[in-house]
Amino acid sequence: QSVLTQPPSASGTPGQRVTISCSGSSSDIARNPVNWYQQIPGTAPKLLIYSNNQRPSGIPDRFSGSKSATSASLAISGLQSEDEADYYCATWDDSLNVYIFGIGTRVTVL
Amino acid sequence: EVQMVESGGGLVQPGGSLRLSCAASGFTFSSYDMYWVRQAPAKGLEWVSYISSHSSNIYYADSVKGRFTISRDNAKNSLYLHMDSLRAEDTAVYYCTTKGYYYDSSGSPHYFDYWGQGTLVTVSS
Repeated sequence: QSVLTQPPSASGTPGQRVTISCSGSSSDIARNPVNWYQQIPGTAPKLLIYSNNQRPSGIPDRFSGSKSATSASLAISGLQSEDEADYYCATWDDSLNVYIFGIGTRVTVL
Repeated sequence: EVQMVESGGGLVQPGGSLRLSCAASGFTFSSYDMYWVRQAPAKGLEWVSYISSHSSNIYYADSVKGRFTISRDNAKNSLYLHMDSLRAEDTAVYYCTTKGYYYDSSGSPHYFDYWGQGTLVTVSS
């Protein structure tokens, strides 16, 4: 089954900008909107970005998303200590009729 | 307030069966597609199954196809996952989740994405 490729880890100092990539294919990211989730270990995932670049109410504008062709990315600007978490991209795969998650990226604030 | 409460998890022996339930409230359950997602200990998120709002479309991950059955009862605002032939690798926290758009009184769309707190399934002898 297909999976979205993310870097396993990313880090930055407070105030820095961190970008997480999410690589897919012509049957998933290219055709469908991408959501991004933040997960603090031990808790349920929380939606950060939907439909590639939209923020739900209550999500700070430090978080932004983008998509181009078969890839998507999440940017966190003005990194804060509370941003330490795991981040997952997710989308639907039309050819397999499956919903797929990225492998997850652990963000560390140095 | 939206609530999604999973139940039915526990310890089961390899080869055994278990039925998970998800009780939903605070939104029009019958209007929305539902998902089961799981997370093995210290691992990432894995989609398990999908069911459309009126059960006309159902999909499974290859890892559970033929062993798990998703269903829903819109009259009871409940989602289910019947799991047979359980394996050690099915050990995980299982979440029910939904996503979609609702429209406010002025007709403006708002996106939502709700998750339950999860229920732990442990497959071990």
